Parts: sequence; structure tokens; C-alpha cells
Amino acid sequence: EAQVTQNPRYLITVTGKKLTVTCSQNMNHEYMSWYRQDPGLGLRQIYYSMNVEVTDKGDVPEGYKVSRKEKRNFPLILESPSPNQTSLYFCASSLYNRGHTDTQYFGPGTRLTVL
Amino acid sequence: ILNVEQSPQSLHVQEGDSTNFTCSFPSSNFYALHWYRWETAKSPEALFVMTLNGDEKKKGRISATLNTKEGYSYLYIKGSQPEDSATYLCAFIHNDYKLSFGAGTTVTVRA
Repeated sequence: EAQVTQNPRYLITVTGKKLTVTCSQNMNHEYMSWYRQDPGLGLRQIYYSMNVEVTDKGDVPEGYKVSRKEKRNFPLILESPSPNQTSLYFCASSLYNRGHTDTQYFGPGTRLTVL
Repeated sequence: ILNVEQSPQSLHVQEGDSTNFTCSFPSSNFYALHWYRWETAKSPEALFVMTLNGDEKKKGRISATLNTKEGYSYLYIKGSQPEDSATYLCAFIHNDYKLSFGAGTTVTVRA
């Protein structure tokens, strides 16, 4: 089944404790992206990747890191989480790395709480 | 951050009625516009990709139009059903491939 998977789905952590949210897609998509969703705001892009070893900042990259060592995986790293990073996070992928004429497939979401 | 606005923020519709709502975006440097449907506790799912001024797309009872010159897109739901209850998101893609989502319009269909 074609899908985007994220783990964990739910996470409660404490300020400063490094964490990684994994994202994997099995559709051979070139483009992958991370978003956060907060009440009253749209999905805001954190980072995106147009292909292996190519990553770029989105609108709200501060406090996050990503890597794209393999085509299928795009982990989101919070080196020192803070309470303002409490949010719902989505990973997404689409077939082509440019053009955005392909719709994105979203993962199930990760609800992160930082105490 | 590109300014993408959706209105209204929420609306209630009686089952069987039709409705529509708007996504407004910068009219310059347009590349593409996406519409997504997001049900509670699920992931956003793609509805339409629109790229040309005057585009009209249809999927069942849901359709969308695009006006790139004035910077808006309408989403229409004809004969609303309870299963149409969801948040509808638009995403504007700038011609340098930057992407911005609107905050969404939440539709509640009352039986």
C-alpha cells in the first residue's frame, strides 16, 4: 500500500531532550516536506527536500533540523525542544521535485507535547 | 511567508444545500494552487491541483475554479452531505516553488 508513515504518533517529552520524528514513504517520491499545524494557523512548512541530500528551509525552520540521506526517509530532529514546539506535525511527499503540480501525500501526523 | 487567506473560517450547511468558500492568494508570481480535504483525526487528502487561469476541476459533488489574475479560487460543494464535513485547505505555490497553506475553512453539514 502506498503510504507515508510517521513515528511516533504521539510523544510527550521535556524541554531540552533531543528527539527525532521519523518519516518514510514507499512511493519513490522525490519531494518530501515537514509541516506543523497550530490552532488558527494553516499548515506551516518547516523544511522540505527536493531530493536526496538536498534540503531547504520553509517558513518556520528555527529549532528544527532535517536530513535526507535516503530517498524514502526524511527525519525531523529537535535538538533541544521547547514548549513552543508543542504542535501537530505532518510529513508529506510528492512525486516530482519541482513544479508542485503533483499533490502531496500526507502522513498520519505526530502530536508532540513539550513540557 | 506568503499571505493566503481562506474565508469564511467556518460555516454550517444544512444537508442537501450547496455552499462555496474562497481561497485568496497573491496574484503575482502564481505557479499552482492545491485544494485539500482534511477530516478530523485524519491526514489531509488532495482534492485538486490547479495551474491555469480559468481552470475548473470537479470531483463528484465538489468543484473548484481558479482566477489567477485576481488571486482567488472558489471551492463549491453541491448538495452537501454529512460526509462532506471537514476542513478544506488551499495551498498556494509561488513560482519559486515556495508553498503556503491557508488556515482552512471548516464545513459542518447538519443532517
